[in-house]
Amino acid sequence: GEKVEQHESTLSVREGDSAVINCTYTDTASSYFPWYKQEAGKSLHFVIDIRSNVDRKQSQRLTVLLDKKAKRFSLHITATQPEDSAIYFCAASSTSGGNYKPTFGKGTSLVVHP
Amino acid sequence: GGIITQTPKFLIGQEGQKLTLKCQQNFNHDTMYWYRQDSGKGLRLIYYSITENDLQKGDLSEGYDASREKKSSFSLTVTSAQKNEMAVFLCASSIPGGSYEQYFGPGTRLTVL
Repeated sequence: GEKVEQHESTLSVREGDSAVINCTYTDTASSYFPWYKQEAGKSLHFVIDIRSNVDRKQSQRLTVLLDKKAKRFSLHITATQPEDSAIYFCAASSTSGGNYKPTFGKGTSLVVHP
Repeated sequence: GGIITQTPKFLIGQEGQKLTLKCQQNFNHDTMYWYRQDSGKGLRLIYYSITENDLQKGDLSEGYDASREKKSSFSLTVTSAQKNEMAVFLCASSIPGGSYEQYFGPGTRLTVL
């Protein structure tokens, strides 16, 4: 089955700097890659996604890059703010053959220092 | 907008006990999921359901049963709680097809004494 590895378990940056979180996946059939944010004591909420028909997607200060050849995708956060501090999860899922099973990475704890 | 509710918020059980967690959504989503979140292990899929009365096993289904009797609700049963078990169980829903974001509930925190 699919395996998603999230390379950074923790990441510490200064406010205003950029942060990058990297994930790799194993299943070439995976075609949907969402990112979720979990703030302290709360549940997950969706932040941004990318589908395999594009290699870049931007939403305000967030950009997701997808390298299908390397089976790698990454979340870039620019001009970080203290409210960006949270655990970020990447995920991958295949949309072929009626397979709806998403696989999550183990999460990256991002701390933005004022 | 919609909301996902999970009950109870906290669940304390005894070893060997059968425990049931409930999830309701009013997004009118067809697909629903149950995940287990353990510290340092991310989210692991227990069961999912692509429509009413459908059940699909995830990677962690052993020791659990699930039930989807209505489109809006999805229940999870821990068939025999393990001593010292502690985890958060998260319910989620989404539009079907595998390429849409999931909406998560607030979670049920399980402690087994």
